[in-house]
Amino acid sequence: DTAVSQTPKYLVTQMGNDKSIKCEQNLGHDTMYWYKQDSKKFLKIMFSYNNKELIINETVPNRFSPKSPDKAHLNLHINSLELGDSAVYFCASSQGPERSWSYNEQFFGPGTRLTVL
Amino acid sequence: QQQVKQSPQSLIVQKGGISIINCAYENTAFDYFPWYQQFPGKGPALLIAIRPDVSEKKEGRFTISFNKSAKQFSLHIMDSQPGDSATYFCAASIDSSYKLIFGSGTRLLVRP
Repeated sequence: DTAVSQTPKYLVTQMGNDKSIKCEQNLGHDTMYWYKQDSKKFLKIMFSYNNKELIINETVPNRFSPKSPDKAHLNLHINSLELGDSAVYFCASSQGPERSWSYNEQFFGPGTRLTVL
Repeated sequence: QQQVKQSPQSLIVQKGGISIINCAYENTAFDYFPWYQQFPGKGPALLIAIRPDVSEKKEGRFTISFNKSAKQFSLHIMDSQPGDSATYFCAASIDSSYKLIFGSGTRLLVRP
């Protein structure tokens, strides 16, 4: 009964390759997010989708492209991978604002550790 | 103005002691202040959260103290246990923005 799942858990690849990370949530939430956690554990939001619409797009290289085929899925595609992309990427989800005051609680997936060689 | 500053970076506490982690913010529009706990190899999970209309919220051994005038909030872990050893993140957001701004994290080690 996993709430937010990500695949793969580990991803090792060469510089210049293109890779995707998949995320699925079974919580019925309206909003999904991608975060990047660097080697110093700093956690920064990259993107957010609400009902399949992009609502947050932080300063992220356009090599990163999120795609939300439906409310339960938010995938992250990364083109031309660079050494600096090595990090742990977390997917998260939360309810929409109509539900309750705690709508902002974000449920995180287990993370995908990306290593670019 | 969007930053949340967290200290200390790391903290070592003896079992049974009190762990205190502090955060400060600039943006007075923030109105939701959660704390997340992250164990190694796992995603962060919500521990406790507070809105600025109260000065304190307690859930079990975990308490958030909130000082609106000073724009500071802190997490207190009473009777700290080795199982509390984790990285703790404070965060802040404006309700309608969906965007959580995280502090830099505090690595807590509770010695047996």
